[in-house]
Amino acid sequence: DQQVKQNSPSLSVQEGRISILNCDYTNSMFDYFLWYKKYPAEGPTFLISISSIKDKNEDGRFTVFLNKSAKHLSLHIVPSQPGDSAVYFCAASVTGTASKLTFGTGTRLQVTL
Amino acid sequence: SAVISQKPSRDICQRGTSLTIQCQVDSQVTMMFWYRQQPGQSLTLIATANQGSEATYESGFVIDKFPISRPNLTFSTLTVSNMSPEDSSIYLCSVDPGQGYEQYFGPGTRLTVT
Repeated sequence: DQQVKQNSPSLSVQEGRISILNCDYTNSMFDYFLWYKKYPAEGPTFLISISSIKDKNEDGRFTVFLNKSAKHLSLHIVPSQPGDSAVYFCAASVTGTASKLTFGTGTRLQVTL
Repeated sequence: SAVISQKPSRDICQRGTSLTIQCQVDSQVTMMFWYRQQPGQSLTLIATANQGSEATYESGFVIDKFPISRPNLTFSTLTVSNMSPEDSSIYLCSVDPGQGYEQYFGPGTRLTVT
């Protein structure tokens, strides 16, 4: 049972344009959501997070949007840069579960020149 | 954040043998986690390792197969026992430094079982 889903395995975007990565979840108990970026041969790197009490969180070029009614979140990267090319994982957690994270399957983003 | 190192970075092992993976953190942390990423799959939590207590395993993972040690607040090991080709994965440790829900990951150990 995949509780966190990223239905697009890959995405290609031109440099300077917006990248939008999507994530859906099924467990209504999830109340904290995170995005990680992973380069080959490296561990995932924390990017940005959002609590369920918010619907938007912004950090520089990265913005995460949360739609609780749709159980959907998205990561926007504006403007996209070639260095953003990586695999992006969304993850979800339930408060009080000792930080246990449930990860999606990842979306490979390629930013082209 | 925390700086995390893992040893070995990769290994090729024969079936039936065991491999112990080390995870070292540059600061004291209470909670450490071990994940597995099978080829083309997501990260799956194997167990939570807190210093001074037995590791807590997730459904589908057992101590006999994946024994974990947590001797102090900066170090942990995961052993993959009696390996089979299905154990070929990337194994990652992570820590929760207590600043929120973010976890910080080591670079991973790429294991291939032949």
